[in-house]
Amino acid sequence: GAGVSQSPRYKVAKRGQDVALRCDPISGHVSLFWYQQALGQGPEFLTYFQNEAQLDKSGLPSDRFFAERPEGSVSTLKIQRTQQEDSAVYLCASSPRRSEHTGELFFGEGSRLTVL
Amino acid sequence: AQSVTQLGSHVSVSEGALVLLRCNYSSSVPPYLFWYVQYPNQGLQLLLKYTTGATLVKGINGFEAEFKKSETSFHLTKPSAHMSDAAEYFCAVSSSGGYQKVTFGTGTKLQVIP
Repeated sequence: GAGVSQSPRYKVAKRGQDVALRCDPISGHVSLFWYQQALGQGPEFLTYFQNEAQLDKSGLPSDRFFAERPEGSVSTLKIQRTQQEDSAVYLCASSPRRSEHTGELFFGEGSRLTVL
Repeated sequence: AQSVTQLGSHVSVSEGALVLLRCNYSSSVPPYLFWYVQYPNQGLQLLLKYTTGATLVKGINGFEAEFKKSETSFHLTKPSAHMSDAAEYFCAVSSSGGYQKVTFGTGTKLQVIP
């Protein structure tokens, strides 16, 4: 596709439910990032993939958060036993390998998670 | 370690007035610096970036920013605000090595008053 696609755009979960958020990066983009954006805050780094390898997961807030990118394209962020503090917009971004776009991220529109 | 500080969570300007959004960064290595804009219910979009070379960089929609190493600043400016500029603006920094993890500031919401 032309841009980064995320689904669902909106998700309401009851506390304790598991959720899965999907990201389709721009075709050919090697790098994929997940960010969490709480209301009124800037995006906070969660995890990074280069192809299928998860090279950095230092931002995942707890072991309830899990991300995968098994074939180096689509990625899924899974949150188990959701808590109210997990309510946020989850942003996916991709980046090409080439240095001309060094550090530039292409963002999807985000998945807004509300935990009741 | 790297970080970004944006001064002022909300800025209001009159239509046609100068826009100035402030950003200071901290980085242990030469930084790459970015400004992103976020319109309501949309993803972040790159406005402009500094990597190397000319310290005054121009972006989309008439915005520009100047990298000042001595002041560790990367302020965003636009000579004349337009109503369509109302949005949230994020300054961000990444390192010149590694996989360029990008760290964002907390954002500045720009209001344009007609």
